[in-house]
Amino acid sequence: ILNVEQSPQSLHVQEGDSTNFTCSFPSSNFYALHWYRWETAKSPEALFVMTLNGDEKKKGRISATLNTKEGYSYLYIKGSQPEDSATYLCAFWNAGNNRKLIWGLGTSLAVNP
Amino acid sequence: DTGVSQNPRHKITKRGQNVTFRCDPISEHNRLYWYRQTLGQGPEFLTYFQNEAQLEKSRLLSDRFSAERPKGSFSTLEIQRTEQGDSAMYLCASATEDQPQHFGDGTRLSIL
Repeated sequence: ILNVEQSPQSLHVQEGDSTNFTCSFPSSNFYALHWYRWETAKSPEALFVMTLNGDEKKKGRISATLNTKEGYSYLYIKGSQPEDSATYLCAFWNAGNNRKLIWGLGTSLAVNP
Repeated sequence: DTGVSQNPRHKITKRGQNVTFRCDPISEHNRLYWYRQTLGQGPEFLTYFQNEAQLEKSRLLSDRFSAERPKGSFSTLEIQRTEQGDSAMYLCASATEDQPQHFGDGTRLSIL
């Protein structure tokens, strides 16, 4: 059974705090991991595509790392701003002919001004 | 690139009625996905197409749900004999192969 878990489920931080959350996925049969940001009343927006063990991606104050051997990815936000408030979703692609995309349930981040 | 377009944005209907939603993907994308999102949950996969072929359909999807992508461009999702539990946001996304998906704004379905 392919399972993707995200933790924590929700997070409240103060403006200026740095934060991070985790996406755990099956360590075998890895193909790719995608991170998305989903703001309220908008549609999900792709942040990163991660394919190689040890990958580090950065977009402004947001960065992500990938460890395919142990099956996790971290998303970091440095100096959180209220506009970072959103649900952050990861989606795992398994390798092979029967490729599936499995979504996590997301981490809901609220940044208080 | 006009993005992924979904119509209608909102649909309110009585229980038992049939509804159909439309999704127009980004033109060069060969993959089209349908998801359902209920309050507080991430996207729940429903089905996806590669060109006109429907490659996968969630086992959670009852026989009341059907999707088509007849010419490999736009897609329709039909729900027959709607039930209260069908109330949700229905999202469409498109992509090139396994690349990140581009989402539409969704169709919010409310069943009275």
